[in-house]
Amino acid sequence: DTGVSQNPRHKITKRGQNVTFRCDPISEHNRLYWYRQTLGQGPEFLTYFQNEAQLEKSRLLSDRFSAERPKGSFSTLEIQRTEQGDSAMYLCASSSRSVGNSPLHFGNGTRLTVT
Amino acid sequence: AQTVTQSQPEMSVQEAETVTLSCTYDTSESDYYLFWYKQPPSRQMILVIRQEAYKQQNATENRFSVNFQKAAKSFSLKISDSQLGDAAMYFCAYYGGTQGGSEKLVFGKGTKLTVNP
Repeated sequence: DTGVSQNPRHKITKRGQNVTFRCDPISEHNRLYWYRQTLGQGPEFLTYFQNEAQLEKSRLLSDRFSAERPKGSFSTLEIQRTEQGDSAMYLCASSSRSVGNSPLHFGNGTRLTVT
Repeated sequence: AQTVTQSQPEMSVQEAETVTLSCTYDTSESDYYLFWYKQPPSRQMILVIRQEAYKQQNATENRFSVNFQKAAKSFSLKISDSQLGDAAMYFCAYYGGTQGGSEKLVFGKGTKLTVNP
């Protein structure tokens, strides 16, 4: 169990640019989640995959955000035309069963700063 | 919509003492799950303890225990014999179960716990 890996750890970008983050879950986990955490707040749910299917998306996930998990393994989260309000820590988590029955294993996150 | 409230932005405790972190939540569901997650300064969040709402018995994990009051919608975390490694942000979280097909965890804003030597 190498844990959930997220890259990059930090990303600084200018407003209007596109950014992409990557998450590699624990290999045997078929469920993958993206959360966003702003300063002084708890994580907010963005989206959820089971295998390659994106089964749930938050209303927070505007049309500038897109997430994929093409082969049911790693996932990418892309933000187009970044805005300063997108500055946050983006957390990825994985699990082997439903949230109620299995703990979420979180990565260290990608910290995005939009200037 | 379900909400989770942690009214203590910061708490401190002396090493070896006991501290209780508060959490209240709002839901109309009768069956759900509650969690406490710990986020140390390295930022990787880990599960501390889990409670199923239909179980009246309070969950316990070593030095960590909860006081679950379903009618009051209260879910506090007690840390006994506090250790320096307990210093972290603690998040209370709610999961409404799979009735609606959602896998969303709803988190509170967190409580920053400082452990003084």
